[in-house]
Amino acid sequence: GAGVSQSPSNKVTEKGKDVELRCDPISGHTALYWYRQSLGQGLEFLIYFQGNSAPDKSGLPSDRFSAERTGGSVSTLTIQRTQQEDSAVYLCASSRRGVPPAEQFFGPGTRLTVL
Amino acid sequence: SQQGEEDPQALSIQEGENATMNCSYKTSINNLQWYRQNSGRGLVHLILIRSNEREKHSGRLRVTLDTSKKSSSLLITASRAADTASYFCATDAGKVTGGGNKLTFGTGTQLKVEL
Repeated sequence: GAGVSQSPSNKVTEKGKDVELRCDPISGHTALYWYRQSLGQGLEFLIYFQGNSAPDKSGLPSDRFSAERTGGSVSTLTIQRTQQEDSAVYLCASSRRGVPPAEQFFGPGTRLTVL
Repeated sequence: SQQGEEDPQALSIQEGENATMNCSYKTSINNLQWYRQNSGRGLVHLILIRSNEREKHSGRLRVTLDTSKKSSSLLITASRAADTASYFCATDAGKVTGGGNKLTFGTGTQLKVEL
């Protein structure tokens, strides 16, 4: 079946603008994660959604970052008033919930460049 | 700081040789996972080892886990040029509400397999 998809694949924006990044998880996966990867670095957890539970927002770096997941499926990560340090690849992953711990399936990412 | 730290940061070997990558972490975990990333985009899950397991095999991959030393190793045997990628360990501390798996990634090992 189809994997995790993300759009756009690349986004170039000017400092101060808002951007929206989209993630379509694998159908039936109840868990959805957003990560950020700066150049040459590991992945930094941002936010996690599980079903109808309150999201875990502990990784969001500032209040300029927000995310929502509508209908338990598609998720949008919004960055307001973008800064140059927001430039990174934003990766989305989804997984089934259950025992044993489910592997996470990653999308191809959105490369964000803030000029 | 990163929960997982991979060692070495970069590794270059000849095709047919074995490649060993190490990962150290700081806190107790439920499981540890290894992922592969090509060209700085989406990650692919390779293998998961639970905290009560010491060794696991999958094809040419062998993973060990030493919880007393808080370390893991990934061995790729008989390497191929196609194994060239970045490899990340990710720890699952299992402390996310809702039953999810918030993974904490290390900074990765860049493996280059030359013909």
